[in-house]
Amino acid sequence: GAVVSQHPSRVICKSGTSVKIECRSLDFQATTMFWYRQFPKQSLMLMATSNEGSKATYEQGVEKDKFLINHASLTLSTLTVTSAHPEDSSFYICSARAGGANTEAFFGQGTRLTVV
Amino acid sequence: RKEVEQDPGPFNVPEGATVAFNCTYSNSASQSFFWYRQDCRKEPKLLMSVYSSGNEDGRFTAQLNRASQYISLLIRDSKLSDSATYLCVVNLGSGGGADGLTFGKGTHLIIQP
Repeated sequence: GAVVSQHPSRVICKSGTSVKIECRSLDFQATTMFWYRQFPKQSLMLMATSNEGSKATYEQGVEKDKFLINHASLTLSTLTVTSAHPEDSSFYICSARAGGANTEAFFGQGTRLTVV
Repeated sequence: RKEVEQDPGPFNVPEGATVAFNCTYSNSASQSFFWYRQDCRKEPKLLMSVYSSGNEDGRFTAQLNRASQYISLLIRDSKLSDSATYLCVVNLGSGGGADGLTFGKGTHLIIQP
């Protein structure tokens, strides 16, 4: 299947700093990627849709100025958590689909962010 | 009512046993259905799609009941490696998020030796 690579897999940062997470589709072009957040024992929650060459679309309740998304190319999307706080500690996962909504979503390995 | 609902478990099952769990969805217009597997601290991976006619892949059988709005996953001859969280994923189409997918919280399965 298609491969989506996410980096870093784990990061610990101090409160107030910013963290950038990269998501790459390695063997297909993804015009659209998705960013999720998963808290312990909770379901994956969509944060935003990353569109190549345009602004991201954020879900209700997600602060666009806090979670900066850049989709610079067909294979790379980045999520920057700005001025991170302990409550931002979570598992962040990106996904991409090679086809339409009924096709398999391929997920990155996830990034476990811990803000201390 | 939650859009996609699963029994969180955990289901503690002896190795070799058969286990089944369901997932209910609230939107009758849901278009497609998937079971994903998620290991602890790992990303979800597609286990199988769920078709109207049901489908089987080795020890795994998935079924869809549109009338009652649920999908099921049956695992036969369970292995220790089957221990994971099983996510029910529903494509709600226009009623869902931008990605069209809604995830259940997952059912935690523990296979015991």
